[in-house]
Amino acid sequence: SQQGEEDPQALSIQEGENATMNCSYKTSINNLQWYRQNSGRGLVHLILIRSNEREKHSGRLRVTLDTSKKSSSLLITASRAADTASYFCATRNTDKLIFGTGTRLQVFP
Amino acid sequence: DGGITQSPKYLFRKEGQNVTLSCEQNLNHDAMYWYRQDPGQGLRLIYYSQIVNDFQKGDIAEGYSVSREKKESFPLTVTSAQKNPTAFYLCASSIEGGPWTGELFFGEGSRLTVL
Repeated sequence: SQQGEEDPQALSIQEGENATMNCSYKTSINNLQWYRQNSGRGLVHLILIRSNEREKHSGRLRVTLDTSKKSSSLLITASRAADTASYFCATRNTDKLIFGTGTRLQVFP
Repeated sequence: DGGITQSPKYLFRKEGQNVTLSCEQNLNHDAMYWYRQDPGQGLRLIYYSQIVNDFQKGDIAEGYSVSREKKESFPLTVTSAQKNPTAFYLCASSIEGGPWTGELFFGEGSRLTVL
């Protein structure tokens, strides 16, 4: 079962621009997490936001959570070519962490 | 260095053969997970284990088997009953399982191709 759906599926921007990715989910959650995956590699955890939090920052990352709309957004500010990767949201409500389908971000130098 | 090691990185299998993917962690994590990723797709949960000698089926367990005899090891066997096994397999661990668990730590994956 796919809990989260990211939007857009793909995003291309220039270095220095901001990138915004959205995630919608279906059921109640305990926390929502964002991960990054470089091509052919494992996933790396970026940030976790709990269901009672509305916004969280980590370096150039800003995550928001709206539990009433069952949605979250990930903002990467001042993007770099090295940010090129796929980004996944993942939600947890029981014992399992369920991943979305991902947004492929391409940042051009 | 602490982390999760998956092996082999690439594996080729003939139809009808069983193969076992290795996953070892030295993070002292209680919970371990196996996910499958198909091209351009998200991750789908195959099996997970919250404690030694116990594991649960995920969303796509058919055709797969696991064991958790040691805390640090969670091997996945892809059996001949799995109809479409060609995929990228990811192993992960977390400090503990359950609804309030935080981040997962992932290995670098194993790519299985059925010839």
